Parts: sequence; structure tokens; C-alpha cells
Amino acid sequence: GESVGLHLPTLSVQEGDNSIINCAYSNSASDYFIWYKQESGKGPQFIIDIRSNMDKRQGQRVTVLLNKTVKHLSLQIAATQPGDSAVYFCAEDIQGAQKLVFGQGTRLTINP
Amino acid sequence: KAGVTQTPRYLIKTRGQQVTLSCSPISGHRSVSWYQQTPGQGLQFLFEYFSETQRNKGNFPGRFSGRQFSNSRSEMNVSTLELGDSALYLCASSSETGISNEKLFFGSGTQLSVL
Repeated sequence: GESVGLHLPTLSVQEGDNSIINCAYSNSASDYFIWYKQESGKGPQFIIDIRSNMDKRQGQRVTVLLNKTVKHLSLQIAATQPGDSAVYFCAEDIQGAQKLVFGQGTRLTINP
Repeated sequence: KAGVTQTPRYLIKTRGQQVTLSCSPISGHRSVSWYQQTPGQGLQFLFEYFSETQRNKGNFPGRFSGRQFSNSRSEMNVSTLELGDSALYLCASSSETGISNEKLFFGSGTQLSVL
């Protein structure tokens, strides 16, 4: 069935360190993946996306890696800042489905 | 462009009542999706509309319904509210073309509490 899961529900890192948030997905037909950041009291905010024909994509301080062989997705945040503290969700989409399947989320805490 | 706007921001209802939530998408976006977010179940897909047509529906009872107007604004309705309907209801818009695999832009949500 459809499911997108996260390996760790919480993650704490020191300010300035790099963080890696992992995500496993089960539907091999998924061809589009997105990472969202949700701060308290706000809706999810788009961070970065990647399509299944790629295995890596970089943004500003963020990198998403996609391993289709093991159906694994990761979000790397470089030089973390206090403002990076939030819950991070991965989501998958299947062409034509018109819906996203979200993981349960990982709470990232940046320690000063 | 203004972001996705949801109203009201907070709502308190009692069991058995009905509720209507409103969403205005980003200008030019014709696809509107609704999601329910709870601590236990996370983000669950409710339904998606494009050009006033429902294209997909999640696994929610018939008490949950929605519609989209010609200006792309959308409403969702929950009838006969139950305690378990307490959640953050999120609206998202995407795609000026209606093609799948477009990133969603979310509003801040409506926090519904059912007493």
C-alpha cells in the first residue's frame, strides 16, 4: 500500500552542524518527491523537490538525495541555523494521482 | 503574489454541528487540494479539485465534502461533526496548467476543535 515513513521522529543538532533527515517510501511507482518544512502555527512550506529521473538536487543549503533502488530519500541541511528548527515532511506523488502522500515528519531541533 | 488564504483561522464547534472552511488559492492556480493534519495520523489527503471538478478523493467518510468555484476558490464542508474531526485543515494550491507533479503551496490552515 501507499506509505511514506521516516526513520527518526526527532533529531537534535548543534548550530552550524549539518543535518540529515531520512525518509523511506514504499510505492515504486512514485515519480516525484518533495520535502516540506512546517513551523509551529504555519502550514507546510516547500523546501525542495526531485523527480525520479534524478538522484540528487541541490538548493540553498539543502540537498535532496534519491535512491530508487532502496526507495530512500534524504534531506541534507548544511550549516544549520536556529531558524531551521521545525518539523520536516517528505511526500511522494505519482503521475496522475493528483495527491501527495506524506510521511509522519521529523522534528529537527537546532541547539545553540 | 499573495499566498494561499484560509478562513477562518480557528473554529470551535460541538458534536453534531456542521462546518464550512474556505480557501483562496494563489492567483492563477486552478488546482486546490485539502489535507487533514492530526498528531496521530499526520497529513492525510482529503480531495483535490481542478477547474471545479473533483479529480481525486481520499479515504474519508461522506461527511467530508468540498467544492470549487469558477474563480478557483474552494470550500470544504464537514457535516455531523465528531470529536475525531478535530484537526488542522490545510488547503494547498498548485499548477497553473493542471498537470500533476507540481509542488503544492499551503495555507496556514484552519484549526478546528470539536467539543
